[in-house]
Amino acid sequence: NAGVTQTPKFRILKIGQSMTLQCTQDMNHNYMYWYRQDPGMGLKLIYYSVGAGITDKGEVPNGYNVSRSTTEDFPLRLELAAPSQTSVYFCASASGQGAFTDTQYFGPGTRLTVL
Amino acid sequence: ILNVEQSPQSLHVQEGDSTNFTCSFPSSNFYALHWYRWETAKSPEALFVMTLNGDEKKKGRISATLNTKEGYSYLYIKGSQPEDSATYLCASKTSYDKVIFGPGTSLSVIP
Repeated sequence: NAGVTQTPKFRILKIGQSMTLQCTQDMNHNYMYWYRQDPGMGLKLIYYSVGAGITDKGEVPNGYNVSRSTTEDFPLRLELAAPSQTSVYFCASASGQGAFTDTQYFGPGTRLTVL
Repeated sequence: ILNVEQSPQSLHVQEGDSTNFTCSFPSSNFYALHWYRWETAKSPEALFVMTLNGDEKKKGRISATLNTKEGYSYLYIKGSQPEDSATYLCASKTSYDKVIFGPGTSLSVIP
């Protein structure tokens, strides 16, 4: 199994451009998450989903949008890129079987720079 | 917004030394505490999940304890090895669908 995959690995955007970060998991997990990691700040939750068709905002959702049309895919959309969105983005999934004890499985990350 | 704190921010130890670091979390609305190990250029990987006050988990030379009443967890590494060098993240589960991560403790083990 590939686990959680993310594309692209690296991307440079100009201010105002838009892009979609792709995330796919092949573990049939119900829960999926998007985080951003800023230096010294740890992981901040952007959006999450508890199943296909269901999404909700995390701690830092402004400037992002998500959709979950299938169990496997959870793309993150940046509509108008800003320098403040320069970060490393991690997608994660969890089975949802143990609501509190589920561990999350992380993808390799996407490093995004907005200039 | 709940805050999860970790200390120290970074740590340098000699190979063979034992070390420990702390995760502090709000004790209200507590459901579970997760520890992850995050090596440079890789993704975080799960170490432990703990739910009960007094829980103690062990995996090889690494162990963790949990105090939910006072809101802290300790991670211990016995006889540190260079391959233990990583950032150790803790995360507090505050509801069935949300988790708050701490900023991490960066450990460097010097051969």
